[in-house]
Amino acid sequence: GAGVSQSPSNKVTEKGKDVELRCDPISGHTALYWYRQRLGQGLEFLIYFQGNSAPDKSGLPSDRFSAERTGESVSTLTIQRTQQEDSAVYLCASSSGAWNTEAFFGQGTRLTVV
Amino acid sequence: GNSVTQMEGPVTLSEEAFLTINCTYTATGYPSLFWYVQYPGEGLQLLLKATKADDKGSNKGFEATYRKETTSFHLEKGSVQVSDSAVYFCALSKLFQGAQKLVFGQGTRLTINP
Repeated sequence: GAGVSQSPSNKVTEKGKDVELRCDPISGHTALYWYRQRLGQGLEFLIYFQGNSAPDKSGLPSDRFSAERTGESVSTLTIQRTQQEDSAVYLCASSSGAWNTEAFFGQGTRLTVV
Repeated sequence: GNSVTQMEGPVTLSEEAFLTINCTYTATGYPSLFWYVQYPGEGLQLLLKATKADDKGSNKGFEATYRKETTSFHLEKGSVQVSDSAVYFCALSKLFQGAQKLVFGQGTRLTINP
């Protein structure tokens, strides 16, 4: 596609429910990243993929968080039993995977847990 | 591990003032370095980058020089404008287990007053 696409753009969910956030990277990009941005704060690294593999899952905050990528394309970030502290903007980015290339970001999914 | 430290914000300046936003990094080897910018209501986008020591990245009047000896990549602009008001993120890219890992600093919010 022309850019990184994330859906939904906004999600309001009740505490305790599960949510799935989707990211469609730029076609051909092998690297895909998930970050969390709480209101007024910086980018918190969650997980990244090279192809369908995740070399580093160290940023996932708890076992309620999981992510997968299939077909070296779409990725889904799943949050189970959501808590209010999960409220944030979840950003996805993709790149060609080369060490000196830029990452392109989606517009993010704003998650609000009520 | 790999990390990026930025000067604490927020930073408030008057139009036409000189800007410096400090960024230092910790990494083994030779990472690539980036500055990303997030304008109000928009997604993150690349501002400039440098891929080896002593390289200078530049764009839109902003500059940053890759200083290996001081592990720094400070962002500068000689005369800021109101339209430069945004959040600025310093980042490094390093190969980790065969994949490109992108690590961000906490971001610095810049406000330019007319």
